[in-house]
Formats: sequence, structure tokens, C-alpha cells
Amino acid sequence: QSALTQPPSASGSPGQSVTISCTGTSSDVGGYIDVSWYQQHPGKAPKLMIYEVNKRPSGVPDRFSGSRSGNTASLTVSGLQAEDEADYYCSSYAGSNNYVVFGGGTKLTVL
Amino acid sequence: QVQLVESGGGLVKPGGSLRLSCAVSGFTFSDYYMNWIRQAPGKGLEWVSYIGGRSTYTGYADSVKGRFTISRDNAKNSLYLQLNSLRVEDTAVYYCARDAGRRFDFWGQGTLVTVSS
Repeated sequence: QSALTQPPSASGSPGQSVTISCTGTSSDVGGYIDVSWYQQHPGKAPKLMIYEVNKRPSGVPDRFSGSRSGNTASLTVSGLQAEDEADYYCSSYAGSNNYVVFGGGTKLTVL
Repeated sequence: QVQLVESGGGLVKPGGSLRLSCAVSGFTFSDYYMNWIRQAPGKGLEWVSYIGGRSTYTGYADSVKGRFTISRDNAKNSLYLQLNSLRVEDTAVYYCARDAGRRFDFWGQGTLVTVSS
């Protein structure tokens, strides 16, 4: 069982927006700024898409955005494109003992 | 450009041992914490271990504590993970990843460890 809770699946049509949630506790998502999102295509390594709740690394399209409310973080993908179809994982710093915990992942399907 | 290349995976019997390696290039290796993260077949990501730039600090997930040992050789730009007392549930793709501050900004392609009798 993953430490952070994500919906197993999400979907949207090209051009639409979709939001994926990531629920934790005050000991992880709600307690630290270090919330990240990763995109993983089949057979590939994960790619960092969002860090510190809402920052984008260089090269990540601004269609990807992050936010947080309380113990729940969210990833929004706007203007869905076919190449956005992938698994998405949230992560959060969880203190010196657990370091970083991940969500179980959400499979995003572009219809 | 930043590159991380894992090696050392394979098939091992329960109770056996394996040593994974990660060769890095494209950045000053000693400036960064490094991590091992694994992914069981068809499952999600699980952080396994970290090590500081000078090897002063290490950390382990409870699931591997006492069985796995992380190390690095800054002169060789290499990261290692010694896996002992392996269990079936340790079967996974093991990724090395650069730590940019509680986030992982570069990942290797992974190496598969299969624990089976």
C-alpha cells in the first residue's frame, strides 16, 4: 500500500484539461513544500514534471501545473495531447526517516 | 549531458546477494546526493536508499534496512547498492536517480533484479 493516495486512472479528450489528485497527511504532503510529480511512459524511466508543489523544470511544457490544498496535491494537464498518455506519480518528502514517499500512480488515458 | 547507467541486475535465488552499479557523467558527482528507487513489475515507485555527496549520510527504507547497503566512489563517478538476503518481494527494476533536493531530476534506465527459486 502506497503512502500517498492517487486515483488509479484518469482520462480526457485531446485539448481538454484533466486533474490528478494526491492525498497524504500533515506529515508529508501537507507539511513540506517538497511535493513532486513524475511522468512515466511504458518501459521508460520516470521524468520529473513538477517540483516544490508548482514549479516546472526547464523543458516541461506550461500545460503542466501543480497546486496543493491542505494534505492534497494536484497535477493539472491542460490542452491534453496524445503524448501526455502515461503513468503519473506524486511524491513528497516525509521526514528524515522515510525520506520520500510516492503515490501509487495514476494512468492517464487520452481518449 | 547528464547520464546515469545502471548495471548488475539479474536472476538470483532467495537469500542470495547482488551488487548494482550506476555510472554517471555530465555533472560533478560529488556535489549531489544520490538515490536508489525501485519499481516492482506492474507496480508503483518505492524509494530505497540515499547517500550524501561525501558518503557521510545514508538512509534506507524500512523494507530494506539491514539488508541493503548504499555506497559511492566519487573518483569513479559511480554509485552502488549491495543487496543481501534477497527476498521474492525485492524483485523490481532498480533505478539510480540524482537528488536535486528531495526530488529526483535525472534517472537511469533501470536494471532488473529478479529473485526467484
